[in-house]
Amino acid sequence: EMQLVESGGGLVQPGGSLRLSCAASGFTFSNYAMSWVRQAPGKGLEWVSIISDSSGTTLYADSLRGRCSISRDNSKNTLYLQINSLRAEDTATYYCAKGRVDTVTGYSHFDYWGQGTLVTVSS
Amino acid sequence: DIQMTQSPSTLSASAGDRVTITCRASQSITSCLAWYQQKPGKAPKLLIYRASNLESGVSSRFSGSGSGTEFTLTINSLQPDDFATYYCQQYCGYSRTFGQGTKLEIK
Repeated sequence: EMQLVESGGGLVQPGGSLRLSCAASGFTFSNYAMSWVRQAPGKGLEWVSIISDSSGTTLYADSLRGRCSISRDNSKNTLYLQINSLRAEDTATYYCAKGRVDTVTGYSHFDYWGQGTLVTVSS
Repeated sequence: DIQMTQSPSTLSASAGDRVTITCRASQSITSCLAWYQQKPGKAPKLLIYRASNLESGVSSRFSGSGSGTEFTLTINSLQPDDFATYYCQQYCGYSRTFGQGTKLEIK
């Protein structure tokens, strides 16, 4: 059974840093792009970042570019998101999502999501 | 960046109704469009990809259409389990953008 389990969330002070993890199982992790999506309380989904299967390509949303870094360790089947200079508006549930390449367009949508980890930025 | 605009933001309907949600892209995304369903406290679930392709295991009451800049999600014969929030997402190129969501409520 496919599983994505996020961890690393919690209460952080403004200006602090956090590294989120997403442990994958039930599929060949190294074959798929992976992404982070966040959702502020009561708000909609916001795409954060995506990393290709081999880590050769990383892309970021404008709202977080320069403050976050996505990475993966295929030997550990784990995805990471490092976020620096945290602000109150970064408070959200952070989901990891598995990418699946659309064979016609060549781009990845997200076919499986974890349950998320809550990050709260507050003093 | 490509902007995605969904309408309506909220939709009230009754079980058995047919409803349609619209999603517009700020520029052409050909068919790089997915639809997700999200229930409170749960992760999103993929319903439709490539604008009109039904994800495996998803009820055939869900259908998608469109290309370019205008897309629709239609749900036929609403069931109680369908009342949720729906998001479109473009996945072309170097970004992934979600619409703001449509909350489907029981009338």
